[in-house]
Amino acid sequence: AQSVSQHNHHVILSEAASLELGCNYSYGGTVNLFWYVQYPGQHLQLLLKYFSGDPLVKGIKGFEAEFIKSKFSFNLRKPSVQWSDTAEYFCAVNRNDMRFGAGTRLTVKP
Amino acid sequence: KAGVTQTPRYLIKTRGQQVTLSCSPISGHRSVSWYQQTPGQGLQFLFEYFSETQRNKGNFPGRFSGRQFSNSRSEMNVSTLELGDSALYLCASSLAVTHNEQFFGPGTRLTVL
Repeated sequence: AQSVSQHNHHVILSEAASLELGCNYSYGGTVNLFWYVQYPGQHLQLLLKYFSGDPLVKGIKGFEAEFIKSKFSFNLRKPSVQWSDTAEYFCAVNRNDMRFGAGTRLTVKP
Repeated sequence: KAGVTQTPRYLIKTRGQQVTLSCSPISGHRSVSWYQQTPGQGLQFLFEYFSETQRNKGNFPGRFSGRQFSNSRSEMNVSTLELGDSALYLCASSLAVTHNEQFFGPGTRLTVL
């Protein structure tokens, strides 16, 4: 079955540590890729998206993600996390409809 | 521009009842999608509507249904509620079909007792 996999269920980091959250998908063909974030008590909001072009995309709040077509991956990165990045992060893939991964909860310790 | 609104924000129902949730998309957005969010399961796609037509449907039983009106507002209905239907139901709107960025509402928290 076509799916979106996020490898880490819960990640705990200290402030200033680097972050990489994995996302793999099993869809063939052309896809659009997204990372969404849900801060505690808030709506889901878009961090970044990839439709085409440069496979390294930059989003809000210093986040970036790299699309590697051969690996069916779209990993999210941030060089130095802050306490305010504590949230749940969702990878999503759109081909005919939008499918989300199960989410990764990030806790940043001050 | 006002965001996506969902009503009600919280609902408590008992098993066997039915429920209707409402979503008003961002003005000008014609596509509305619905998701069920539960801990550990992430967001499960329910269905997508565009111009009053259901465009896609996820793997949910027929107890879950929806519709979209000419003003793009959408409703989803769940009949014969089960305990496992307790979840946060999210609505998202986009300008066109889901290849575009989706904007999410705050959700309706449904508790089935």
